[in-house]
This record gives sequence, C-alpha cells and structure tokens, in this order.
Amino acid sequence: EAGVVQSPRYKIIEKKQPVAFWCNPISGHNTLYWYLQNLGQGPELLIRYENEEAVDDSQLPKDRFSAERLKGVDSTLKIQPAELGDSAVYLCASSLGLAGGNSNEQFFGPGTRLTVL
Amino acid sequence: AQSVTQPDIHITVSEGASLELRCNYSYGATPYLFWYVQSPGQGLQLLLKYFSGDTLVQGIKGFEAEFKRSQSSFNLRKPSVHWSDAAEYFCAVASTDSWGKFQFGAGTQVVVTP
Repeated sequence: EAGVVQSPRYKIIEKKQPVAFWCNPISGHNTLYWYLQNLGQGPELLIRYENEEAVDDSQLPKDRFSAERLKGVDSTLKIQPAELGDSAVYLCASSLGLAGGNSNEQFFGPGTRLTVL
Repeated sequence: AQSVTQPDIHITVSEGASLELRCNYSYGATPYLFWYVQSPGQGLQLLLKYFSGDTLVQGIKGFEAEFKRSQSSFNLRKPSVHWSDAAEYFCAVASTDSWGKFQFGAGTQVVVTP
C-alpha cells in the first residue's frame, strides 16, 4: 500500500513569489493534516481536514496561506506571497479519522522542503 | 495549558549502549501518546503508541516506552543502540477529549558514536 505522497520534495523560490504543495493521502483516510516544521522543532499543525471540510485552521496564517481539499482526497497548500520566514518543511499526514476510532494515528509523507531566498 | 516537553535537545550515545529519551506532558486527562522517529530528509515514522491498558508498550526497531501516569511521562527506551538509530525522535500527544488535536514535542536529536 502506498504511503502519503507529497510533491515536490524540494522547492526554492524568491520572496514574494507564490508556491504550492500537493499531498495525496493514504487511500481511505478521511482526515488530512498539513504541518509546518521549522529546523530543530516538532511539527506544528496548520490545518486539518475531515473529508473536504477544514475543521481546524486556527493556526493557518490566512493572509498568505490557503489550502483546499476539493474532493476529500488529495490536497493543495498554497503560499502567496512567500516570505523569507516561510522557509521550512511542510509535512502532510493522514489518518482514518473517526472510522478508525479515537486513536488518531497519523501517517506522514516525506515533506516538502521550501527555501525562500 | 496543554504541553509536551522533551527535556533533552540532544543526546550522544555509544553504539551498543542503552538509550532513554524523556517525554513529559501536561494534559487534562490521560491522552493518547506516541513516539515518532525522523531520519534526515524523511517523514515521521511511528515507533509505538499508547492508548490504554498495559503501561509498557513495545514498538518497532526494538524500542519500548513506559507510560507513568503519576509522573505524566512516556519515556522511550532501547536496550542496545545501533548506528542506524541516529535520528530525531518526537514525542506526540493526542487529546482524548478533543479528537484530532495532536501536539508534538520539540524533538530529541540522537547521535550514535562508534
């Protein structure tokens, strides 16, 4: 079974440019997460989807970040415009959701490493 | 406030020696507890998890962790470290009363010396 797929793996852009990251979760996983991981830190949740609904986006900087999961499967995270401080690894994770009980076990993709120059 | 603390930022251990990584949490109720490992350039891989029952849980790669309610701790251990265990380790907590809330510690970097 394929794991969580993310692309691209690496992205280098200049500040003020837009950038988008794509995630395809494990088949059958209703819940999808986007995390931000700064160097030397643990992942921090940006947004959580239950199917196509964003149920927790309280940590998403909405002035420049946006996300969508239109059909409740794959998802896109966008930054426009990017700033120097956005340089980090963006991780996508998925879980079964309520169908999997309350365990909330998450499976992570390899991440996209963004460098903003 | 809810929190997850990994007191050790960096640990160096000799190959073959034992390893213990500390994790403390502050939550209103006993949460679900996880340990993940992250190798350079890789995503996080689940080592083990605790939901309920036996407080000593076994995971992959020879790791185990013990939940101690009285100390609000969930420390990770391995009796004999291999060079391939060099990585960053994250403790994570999921709330049982607010499903989907998942919080990570800052991580512990493990270096294995010959």
